[in-house]
Amino acid sequence: GAVVSQHPSRVICKSGTSVKIECRSLDFQATTMFWYRQFPKKSLMLMATSNEGSKATYEQGVEKDKFLINHASLTLSTLTVTSAHPEDSSFYICSALALAGVTTDTQYFGPGTRLTVL
Amino acid sequence: GQQLNQSPQSMFIQEGEDVSMNCTSSSIFNTWLWYKQDPGEGPVLLIALYKAGELTSNGRLTAQFGITRKDSFLNISASIPSDVGIYFCAGQLNTGNQFYFGTGTSLTVIP
Repeated sequence: GAVVSQHPSRVICKSGTSVKIECRSLDFQATTMFWYRQFPKKSLMLMATSNEGSKATYEQGVEKDKFLINHASLTLSTLTVTSAHPEDSSFYICSALALAGVTTDTQYFGPGTRLTVL
Repeated sequence: GQQLNQSPQSMFIQEGEDVSMNCTSSSIFNTWLWYKQDPGEGPVLLIALYKAGELTSNGRLTAQFGITRKDSFLNISASIPSDVGIYFCAGQLNTGNQFYFGTGTSLTVIP
């Protein structure tokens, strides 16, 4: 299957600093990537849809100025958590849409990034 | 957003038993995906379904795309300890759009 990498896998930072997380599709091109946040023992919460070459679409309640998304190429999307605070500590997961056929998609996930803000 | 009802929420079974879980929606989906997530890792795709009525297997796993296109089922036969994890269903309304996720089924296999 298609492979999506995510870096870093873990990051610990001080409150007020910014953290950048990279999501790469390694063996396919993805015009659309998604960023999720997951709380312990909960389902995935979609934060935003990242489209190559255009602005990201944010879900209701997600601050676009706090969670900056850049989809610079067909294989790379980045999420920057700006001025991080302890409440931003979470598990962040990206995914990429891959065409499975002419009119069908499959979604592949990265391994996730554990962010801890002190 | 779309609501996907996944059940059961959790299961505790003996090794060797079969497992069934399902997802239902009020909307018609064109794609259903099933994932397994281990602690601290991203979800891993198990099975993808693209046609109503489609039945697809992946080893001991079998999933079906419901005829109404509003539900999907995942079965695991002869469970083993490494089947432990959280299983998520995901449905997509239209190509290129986001997938909506179920609330997950936590599976515990007792050796």
